[in-house]
Amino acid sequence: QVQLQESGPGLVKPSETLSLTCTVSGGSVSSGSYYWSWIRQPPGKGLEWIGYIYYSGSTNYNPSLKSRVTISVDTSKNQFSLKLSSVTAADTAVYYCAGGLGYWGQGTLVTVSS
Amino acid sequence: DIQMTQSPSSLSASVGDRVTITCRASQGISNYLAWFQQKPGKAPKSLIYAASSLQSGVPSKFSGSGSGTDFTLTISSLQPEDFATYYCQQYNSYPWTFGQGTKVEIK
Repeated sequence: QVQLQESGPGLVKPSETLSLTCTVSGGSVSSGSYYWSWIRQPPGKGLEWIGYIYYSGSTNYNPSLKSRVTISVDTSKNQFSLKLSSVTAADTAVYYCAGGLGYWGQGTLVTVSS
Repeated sequence: DIQMTQSPSSLSASVGDRVTITCRASQGISNYLAWFQQKPGKAPKSLIYAASSLQSGVPSKFSGSGSGTDFTLTISSLQPEDFATYYCQQYNSYPWTFGQGTKVEIK
C-alpha cells in the first residue's frame, strides 16, 4: 500500500518561494508505476492540478502556474518536491501530493501572509 | 483547457436513495475520467478510474459510466458515510482538470 506524506512550512511570505516535500512509503518514486503529482485546493474551493513528475524525470505543469512551478524528485530519499515561486495570497491552499490517481497524502495547509 | 461541468452542484437525498451525478467535458476525453469522494477536512479518495473501473477496496454500490463527453457516477443506495463532495477529473489532455464538485447532503 503506497502512502504519501507532505511536509513543509505552513506559512510563507508574499513574493517568496513555497517549498513542499512528499515522502513516499510502500512504493518507489523510481518505478514507472505512477505519475507523482501535486494538487491544491484553496479554502472552500475546488481542486486544481499543479503538475507531475514521472520516474524518468519528465515533468508536466499546469500552464496557469508553469512559469512559477518546479517539481523534482530525490530517489535516494524516495521523495518528490514542489517549489512555487513569487507566491501571493491566491496561492493559499491545502496542497496534496498524489501517486497516480489512487494514492493521496493527507494534505498540508500553506498560508501566504506577511 | 478542457472544462469539466458537474451537475447538480448540490443535492439533498435520503438514506437508501439512488443518486446520480453527471459530469460533462467541453471536448471528448475518451474514457480518461476519474471520480473522487471528499469529506470535510480530508483528502480526496479515488473511487473510479477509466470512467467505469472501480478502485480496489471501493464498494460496488459506486459505479461509473460514459465515454466521450458525458459521464455519470451512481451510488446505488446512499448510506450515511456517503454524504460528501464528489469530483470528476479528466486526464486525457493537459492540464488535467477537475469538475467544480457536487455536494451530497442529507435530506
